[in-house]
Amino acid sequence: QKEVEQNSGPLSVPEGAIASLNCTYSDRGSQSFFWYRQYSGKSPELIMSIYSNGDKEDGRFTAQLNKASQYVSLLIRDSQPSDSATYLCAVNIYTGGFKTIFGAGTRLFVKA
Amino acid sequence: EAGVTQFPSHSVIEKGQTVTLRCDPISGHDNLYWYRRVMGKEIKFLLHFVKESKQDESGMPNNRFLAERTGGTYSTLKVQPAELEDSGVYFCASSLAGLANEQFFGPGTRLTVL
Repeated sequence: QKEVEQNSGPLSVPEGAIASLNCTYSDRGSQSFFWYRQYSGKSPELIMSIYSNGDKEDGRFTAQLNKASQYVSLLIRDSQPSDSATYLCAVNIYTGGFKTIFGAGTRLFVKA
Repeated sequence: EAGVTQFPSHSVIEKGQTVTLRCDPISGHDNLYWYRRVMGKEIKFLLHFVKESKQDESGMPNNRFLAERTGGTYSTLKVQPAELEDSGVYFCASSLAGLANEQFFGPGTRLTVL
């Protein structure tokens, strides 16, 4: 079992729709959770962080965390073609330092 | 405010040679991380510095890799001798101190070992 699992996709949604991206993690000691967006050939860009159970909203993005189910999700409302990218789920484990584990990413296509 | 910078952007070397990658974190960021992405695979954690101290280096592949952060500012990652499987994109990231640990990534160095 991978430490952080994501559906590789591609996930295709029409412009204006809600895109729902999911992630599960295996280490119950995980403390903080992040969503990064990565355009082809570019470096990851942080879009959301979440630390406690529940929802966190920032503009068109909502992150949801359920520690009991070891599940993190990202909702993108009013999806735009510019949202087309790979979305990476990342989990921080405190080891005395921080070890960040990335999922393989979900490719999202937003059709105009 | 300048972001994380990495040098070089690309490096092509032959097997057995040595390569040194450099990362300059965002000013004031005590935390510095190195990651590697091999073609088709997920981003893999290599190690974490707090200032000049290695806090977690559990992701370093083997003793051919040496990371340093003298003075707690910029960091270098040396690969000696390089092997074919070391090819990939090496990312550096930095974050402020504390548990929030929101990391900002540099543009990466693409390493090709022939």
